[in-house]
Amino acid sequence: EVQLLESGGGLVQPGGSLRLSCAASGFTFITNVMTWVRQAPGKGLEWVSGISGSGHSTYYADSVKGRFTISRDNSKNTLYLQMNSLRAEDTAVYYCAKAVAVDYMDVWGKGTTVTVSS
Amino acid sequence: DIQMTQSPSTLSASVGDRVTITCRASQGISSALAWYQQKPGKAPKLLIYKASSLESGVPSRFSGSGSGTEFTLTISSLQPDDFATYYCQQYNSYTWTFGQGTKVEIK
Repeated sequence: EVQLLESGGGLVQPGGSLRLSCAASGFTFITNVMTWVRQAPGKGLEWVSGISGSGHSTYYADSVKGRFTISRDNSKNTLYLQMNSLRAEDTAVYYCAKAVAVDYMDVWGKGTTVTVSS
Repeated sequence: DIQMTQSPSTLSASVGDRVTITCRASQGISSALAWYQQKPGKAPKLLIYKASSLESGVPSRFSGSGSGTEFTLTISSLQPDDFATYYCQQYNSYTWTFGQGTKVEIK
């Protein structure tokens, strides 16, 4: 069964850091583009970041560029999102999602909640 | 950046109704469009990809059409399980943009 399981969310103060992880199973991880998508409370979906299968190419939404870093460890089938300089507006549920080629997202994790508050 | 605009934002309908949601792209995206369904507290679920291809396991009452800048998602006969929020999404060269969502409510 194809599965994605996020972890690492929690409460952090403004300006703080957090690292999210996404453990993948049931598919050949290294061949897939992976992404992070977030959803603020009561709001819509927002794409955050994407990474190629090799990890050599990374992409970011303007709202997180320079503060967030996406990476992957293909030996551990795990995707990461390092989040620095966190702001209140980064409060959201963060989902990892597997992309088909560089296209749509066919498998989603259940999400992990990040709350940025003092 | 490509912007996606959905209409309406909220839609009230009854079981058995035919429902249509529209998504417009700020520039042409060919058929690089997907539709997702999301229920409260749950992850999004892929319904349609490449504008009109039905994801495996999705009921045939869901269909998608369009290309270029204008797209539609149609539910031919709304079922109780279909009350949810629907999002369109464009995918283009390693950037992804979602529409703001359409909430389908019980009338």
